Amino acid sequence: AQSVAQPEDQVNVAEGNPLTVKCTYSVSGNPYLFWYVQYPNRGLQFLLKYITGDNLVKGSYGFEAEFNKSQTSFHLKKPSALVSDSALYFCAVRDDAAGNKLTFGGGTRVLVKP
Amino acid sequence: NAGVTQTPKFRVLKTGQSMTLLCAQDMNHEYMYWYRQDPGMGLRLIHYSVGEGTTAKGEVPDGYNVSRLKKQNFLLGLESAAPSQTSVYFCASSYGVAEGKNIQYFGAGTRLSVL
Repeated sequence: AQSVAQPEDQVNVAEGNPLTVKCTYSVSGNPYLFWYVQYPNRGLQFLLKYITGDNLVKGSYGFEAEFNKSQTSFHLKKPSALVSDSALYFCAVRDDAAGNKLTFGGGTRVLVKP
Repeated sequence: NAGVTQTPKFRVLKTGQSMTLLCAQDMNHEYMYWYRQDPGMGLRLIHYSVGEGTTAKGEVPDGYNVSRLKKQNFLLGLESAAPSQTSVYFCASSYGVAEGKNIQYFGAGTRLSVL
């Protein structure tokens, strides 16, 4: 069975400071990892994904994520946060042996203060 | 390009009533999914479809039925609504599962309250 953990319910950061949202995962096969963002009253929007290749993945809106196989982590990062980055962030995993089913973490709310 | 469209956006039901949520996508995607979102629990897969005429159970299928009569539409039905089904429902679609085709695109959601 596959699972995802986002250990922080909320992350507070000042505008201009680095932002990190943590994610750890568990799969039996090779992981496909995704980050999605949800703005209020909207659906989820795709940010980035890791399938294979470079451990550092760059995505939309200046976000990046680092895949760490030994720590089974896929933390989302942004060097300089904006107020407009305030949203709910979801990490998701798909085991390459599990077909098309994504398992989502519980979500982390990011609040960027001016 | 509308992407994934869900109707209705909001609905209030009484316990025991039935309703159907409609999802439509205009991206010619093969795969479609229904999720429910509850606070602190992320999104949980209810049912999904890998093509027209096919459906399969996800993580939390009980109390729901689905149909995929047309490729572009995926319907989620509640035959006898219960308060435990109060949630926000999201539909998503993707081309498939292969590399480059496995990104899921989401609708704006349907907020359902069952009293």
